[in-house]
Amino acid sequence: ETGVTQTPRHLVMGMTNKKSLKCEQHLGHNAMYWYKQSAKKPLELMFVYSLEERVENNSVPSRFSPECPNSSHLFLHLHTLQPEDSALYLCASSLGQGKETQYFGPGTRLLVL
Amino acid sequence: SQQGEEDPQALSIQEGENATMNCSYKTSINNLQWYRQNSGRGLVHLILIRSNEREKHSGRLRVTLDTSKKSSSLLITASRAADTASYFCATLYSGYALNFGKGTSLLVTP
Repeated sequence: ETGVTQTPRHLVMGMTNKKSLKCEQHLGHNAMYWYKQSAKKPLELMFVYSLEERVENNSVPSRFSPECPNSSHLFLHLHTLQPEDSALYLCASSLGQGKETQYFGPGTRLLVL
Repeated sequence: SQQGEEDPQALSIQEGENATMNCSYKTSINNLQWYRQNSGRGLVHLILIRSNEREKHSGRLRVTLDTSKKSSSLLITASRAADTASYFCATLYSGYALNFGKGTSLLVTP
């Protein structure tokens, strides 16, 4: 248990659906991250939030929309996804932006049909 | 862009043996980290080694860093079945985000 939780753990959605992934950290950290992990590929950084402000949007398609209402919560809103978006989506947090060690949640396994 | 590159991609050993995996990177770093990921789960931080350190130990883990060769190695001694996982090295880039390699998949059989 790393202190970072993610819900749901598994999600199946159609290409026309709208869904949201939720991440919550109980560590008092100020930076939060979304990563995408596809089969046979390295982890890809998607978004970085520091003190609730987005500091990185790593050329992610607009069908992924992040939201950070406070330093403990991070959402990833999904709409009109494609089958190639099927992957494990990992949330992480760190003490501050660039503060070395990141703590990861268990991930949401997403399948887009 | 991808920074770390682990080698080998897959490693299979028996319990009690040592497992060694390597990581190469491309640019200057402040530190290098190793993470472990059990199948389909989140990553767990194992150890961090700073650029001015050459070797670091944590339990059965030993990490070395050679900045002249831009490489690091992770040694797991006396492997157990529970060590079966994927292992990633990561370096910090852009000041705040970690850059991961594709990982080494370790299988430890009883």
